[in-house]
Amino acid sequence: SQQGEEDPQALSIQEGENATMNCSYKTSINNLQWYRQNSGRGLVHLILIRSNEREKHSGRLRVTLDTSKKSSSLLITASRAADTASYFCATDDNTDKLIFGTGTRLQVFP
Amino acid sequence: NAGVMQNPRHLVRRRGQEARLRCSPMKGHSHVYWYRQLPEEGLKFMVYLQKENIIDESGMPKERFSAEFPKEGPSILRIQQVVRGDSAAYFCASSTLGVNTEAFFGQGTRLTVV
Repeated sequence: SQQGEEDPQALSIQEGENATMNCSYKTSINNLQWYRQNSGRGLVHLILIRSNEREKHSGRLRVTLDTSKKSSSLLITASRAADTASYFCATDDNTDKLIFGTGTRLQVFP
Repeated sequence: NAGVMQNPRHLVRRRGQEARLRCSPMKGHSHVYWYRQLPEEGLKFMVYLQKENIIDESGMPKERFSAEFPKEGPSILRIQQVVRGDSAAYFCASSTLGVNTEAFFGQGTRLTVV
């Protein structure tokens, strides 16, 4: 079963703009992770945020987690054409496996 | 340290044949996950294995699909008597300590059933 739902499904922006993607999930979690997938490739891990953390940064990425609302957001600042990809959130669902959302397809135009 | 290696990258099978997909996890990783992805969709969990053990196969169809992760050698996802609906990208991921750590993904095997 799908745990996470990303919003929006697709997002198009110009280079230099910020991109915000949201993820909602259904059950309690131990951690939430964000991954990027370039077309036809495997997934690349971006950030892991634990349930007791509220915000985490990595370079141009900022992730927030609101466990009361069961939601997370991924912000990419000063986007580049190379950021064009699909972005997925994944949660552990308090089980032994990562459950992925449906993804946000980000297109960054030069 | 090589990443997660999957082979073959592309596999074409006729209906009724068997497909064997291989995954070599990163060195030192004993947790392996298999996922399936249809075009424009997210990843669907299939099975979670540790060395010589299937931990969770709740996402894997009961018939025709099997998975193993032997003491020596790669993890194998086996699909018997393939049908057109099995056409998809199959991704393998490995991690050191399971779900609470970063998972590293292979490049996937794209299975096409003709």
